[in-house]
Amino acid sequence: DTGVSQNPRHKITKRGQNVTFRCDPISEHNRLYWYRQTLGQGPEFLTYFQNEAQLEKSRLLSDRFSAERPKGSFSTLEIQRTEQGDSAMYLCASSLGRMEETQYFGPGTRLLVL
Amino acid sequence: DQQVKQNSPSLSVQEGRISILNCDYTNSMFDYFLWYKKYPAEGPTFLISISSIKDKNEDGRFTVFLNKSAKHLSLHIVPSQPGDSAVYFCAASEDNDMRFGAGTRLTVKP
Repeated sequence: DTGVSQNPRHKITKRGQNVTFRCDPISEHNRLYWYRQTLGQGPEFLTYFQNEAQLEKSRLLSDRFSAERPKGSFSTLEIQRTEQGDSAMYLCASSLGRMEETQYFGPGTRLLVL
Repeated sequence: DQQVKQNSPSLSVQEGRISILNCDYTNSMFDYFLWYKKYPAEGPTFLISISSIKDKNEDGRFTVFLNKSAKHLSLHIVPSQPGDSAVYFCAASEDNDMRFGAGTRLTVKP
């Protein structure tokens, strides 16, 4: 396994469109995290899963954001009715256990909303 | 609200000297602190961490110091190498939350 992968790496969309990003974690990791990073800021925690259970989602930015991990393996992050302010890097990470365990990050998906 | 702050956006040091990166936090419930390094076009990579019950953790050239009373932690890199040039993020965690600082860009000059 070569690490956490994210697809697509880049996405350009028009305002109002829906977008979906995919994250494939390291295979034996049961925890999966989504973050957003804007220019000049650190990653901002959005949500996380333990296996298929979404244990925290209060930090999702609005009800336009949703995430799934249906079989406890890969995860998707969907943004509905995108806005220009959604333009950012979306990072996925995975880990073996608790929040403080080493999280391995993917390269991110850069979203640009025109 | 920024619960984790890195007040120096950039730091430049000479190769072989010590690099000291600082981080302050406001939430006393944080129980674990981590440092991540990020190169351009890559995701952050884990560097070193420390539990709130400790005040120092060392791993090779990297040492993290935690001062709970001051709500302050620092990362020391000795000796600094040009390959250490990257953005360094401080992070703090509790239960179901992880907060990152805005990062400090370290440049190590040959």
